Amino acid sequence: DTAVSQTPKYLVTQMGNDKSIKCEQNLGHDTMYWYKQDSKKFLKIMFSYNNKELIINETVPNRFSPKSPDKAHLNLHINSLELGDSAVYFCASSQDKGAIYEQYFGPGTRLTVT
Amino acid sequence: QKEVEQDPGPLSVPEGAIVSLNCTYSNSAFQYFMWYRQYSRKGPELLMYTYSSGNKEDGRFTAQVDKSSKYISLFIRDSQPSDSATYLCAMNQGSNYKLTFGKGTLLTVNP
Repeated sequence: DTAVSQTPKYLVTQMGNDKSIKCEQNLGHDTMYWYKQDSKKFLKIMFSYNNKELIINETVPNRFSPKSPDKAHLNLHINSLELGDSAVYFCASSQDKGAIYEQYFGPGTRLTVT
Repeated sequence: QKEVEQDPGPLSVPEGAIVSLNCTYSNSAFQYFMWYRQYSRKGPELLMYTYSSGNKEDGRFTAQVDKSSKYISLFIRDSQPSDSATYLCAMNQGSNYKLTFGKGTLLTVNP
């Protein structure tokens, strides 16, 4: 029974396209996150939602738009994809925004932009 | 100077060795310190976290935090081939809602 799941696992697309990645957690957590891990394995926070409210919005291009329809789901939509967007995107969740030290990560979505 | 520095390795040890993984940091406001393990093509998995200075032990793993030196360590005793992974340190100030990660150390334990 997967705690944090992401779809799709792999995404190959061309420059200029628009794509979405979906994340779901069944842990009953209030807070969810999107991270980007580049080719050098550096993991950086992009967004965080707590009970559907945006609480972290790092310096990410406007082409990236998160959406949280309910507290169990956090989706990431990317417009006009660029080569530099190629990376692994991880979703994570924690019990609440105060329990940031105990995050559970999904398996990742490997995005390749050609 | 980066907020969190971590030697990327790679680090290769024989099975049964004691492994020491380290991170240094510059932000004295960090209060929570975490270690994650990431197997190839998988998501990071939380190993343990500590608050402020001190030691914490969980089985073969021991985390140490020295806030005066801005230095944290993860020790793995009796290392196993299944410990082969990238180990990421992460830190949080406690007053905001984001983690700052090190770049990870790639560890290989040879049978």
